[in-house]
Order: sequence, then C-alpha cells, then structure tokens
Amino acid sequence: EPEVTQTPSHQVTQMGQEVILRCVPISNHLYFYWYRQILGQKVEFLVSFYNNEISEKSEIFDDQFSVERPDGSNFTLKIRSTKLEDSAMYFCASSDDLQETQYFGPGTRLLVL
Amino acid sequence: ELKVEQNPLFLSMQEGKNYTIYCNYSTTSDRLYWYRQDPGKSLESLFVLLSNGAVKQEGRLMASLDTKARLSTLHITAAVHDLSATYFCAVVNNNAGNMLTFGGGTRLMVKP
Repeated sequence: EPEVTQTPSHQVTQMGQEVILRCVPISNHLYFYWYRQILGQKVEFLVSFYNNEISEKSEIFDDQFSVERPDGSNFTLKIRSTKLEDSAMYFCASSDDLQETQYFGPGTRLLVL
Repeated sequence: ELKVEQNPLFLSMQEGKNYTIYCNYSTTSDRLYWYRQDPGKSLESLFVLLSNGAVKQEGRLMASLDTKARLSTLHITAAVHDLSATYFCAVVNNNAGNMLTFGGGTRLMVKP
C-alpha cells in the first residue's frame, strides 16, 4: 500500500541552525501538508501546498519557515534559524483531492538544543 | 477562528464495555476526520465524514456527524485492549480550504 515517507526520523540541532525536513508524498497525490505536534499536545497545521505554491498557512508558519517541491517526488520543510520552541514532531501529509483523507507520514522528531 | 473540542480527554475502560467520544466544533464544516495515534507513532486515518448524518463503521468503531449540532461522535463497542490509543478528530473550516484543525485528543486505555 502506498505511504508517505519522511526523513530523517530524528534530528537534533543547535539553536540558530537551519534544518530541512524531507517528505515523499504518495505518488499520485496533488495536495501536500506539513503539521507539527509538540510533545503531549494537539496536532497543529503549518502549511498546505498545491500546484507548486502555498495554498494556506497558519500563524505558526512565519518567515523562518519555507516549503519547496524541488522535484517530482520530494516535498521539503525548511526552518532557517531554529528556536527551542521549534522542538516537535513534524508530520508531512498528502491527499489526492480536497475532500479525501490526508495520509500522514511517520514524522520527524526535531529537537533543538 | 475554528475551535475543536473533544471529550473526554482521557478514558479508561474495561474490555467489553461501550463508550462514546465526543467532538464539538465551533464553525460551519461539512468535513470531519477521525485519526488514531499510537504512542510515538504517526496518525492513522479511521474515518472521513463528508455530510450531515454520515455514519461510518469499521470493526468496533462507529463514527457519525451532525453538522447542524456541530458534533461528531466516535462510538466504541465491546472495547478490546488493541483499541488503546489516542483518538483525534479534525475538522476542515468551510471557509479555509483544506486545513485540518485538530481536537486535543482522547487518550483511550482499555484494561484487560
């Protein structure tokens, strides 16, 4: 069964460093998303991406964040200068239609020291 | 701003018992999702509810949606230990594309 994959599974970085989280959505899907979940808290929407551009973003997704689809398969989230409060599990998701299920990847656990 | 509230936040129940988890949301929506999350794992899709009165069942879980009351329920029938997990509902704001707003989750523990 097709699934969303994410790399790395864990990332530890120093405050102020740049990180890039990578996702490979399900191959025929057109809509891509990033969410995050701070430990023990609810899942929060960051950004959605369709047709090579951002379609929606939340207040969390400030100028430190960017997304890119550099080729036909990868979808990346970049945090330019990480802060301690960026420590969270970051989930990528994809869907093939607006009204269909968003399938989540296994997540990248980011720890900022 | 769309707010999604689940209750209870924590539920401990015996195997074989029935229970219902509630998900209330604050603004108009006609799309609601239920997800399951095991500790340290990703979110597994359980149900997508797309219209008022929608009811879906899979095994011991049944989900329903009442868009007029802005309420969804996830009913557990004859619980088994394998159902222990955290359950999230997530709602799409009709005026905001396909951004999912999640509830706080219900942590379910089923005791043998």
